[in-house]
Amino acid sequence: DAGVIQSPRHEVTEMGQEVTLRCKPISGHNSLFWYRQTMMRGLELLIYFNNNVPIDDSGMPEDRFSAKMPNASFSTLKIQPSEPRDSAVYFCASSLSRGNEKLFFGSGTQLSVL
Amino acid sequence: QKEVEQNSGPLSVPEGAIASLNCTYSDRGSQSFFWYRQYSGKSPELIMFIYSNGDKEDGRFTAQLNKASQYVSLLIRDSQPSDSATYLCAVKRPGYSTLTFGKGTMLLVSP
Repeated sequence: DAGVIQSPRHEVTEMGQEVTLRCKPISGHNSLFWYRQTMMRGLELLIYFNNNVPIDDSGMPEDRFSAKMPNASFSTLKIQPSEPRDSAVYFCASSLSRGNEKLFFGSGTQLSVL
Repeated sequence: QKEVEQNSGPLSVPEGAIASLNCTYSDRGSQSFFWYRQYSGKSPELIMFIYSNGDKEDGRFTAQLNKASQYVSLLIRDSQPSDSATYLCAVKRPGYSTLTFGKGTMLLVSP
């Protein structure tokens, strides 16, 4: 299995631009998570899907952030408009099922907003 | 008190020594506990999990859980330079649907 696949690996954009991060979970995994990691705040959950349905989006910072999971093999995290404080590493992770906390992480997207 | 707390380190140990990494959590009733290893510039990787009080061993790694003291630790025996990484403690807190991560402890193993 190829593991969780994220793209792009690096994204550099200017403040105000739209950013879209992409994720393909491990085949057969029903739960998908978006995390953000910074030195100051560590690894924070943004949103969690189970069977393509958002279960917990309490970590989404504000309306500028949105996430979708149109099918079991694809999810996007969009930031519009982006701000410098959004600069971080964004990880996507998947697990086999709801309640299974063994997370498998993708390689992450390093986002820099100038 | 932070929900999941770890000393940021770095914790420096010589090769061959035992490295002891500690984590405390605030929510009594937390059920599941995980240790992830994260190499610099890489993603977290699950290395150990423990659900019951006591010790759980897997190769050179031992996870220890004490729910009464709200304390979980990771011991790495015969530490190797390749063990140098940040170790993240994660806890499944009651009422939360997903894991809460600590900020991690950086471990440096010198040859």
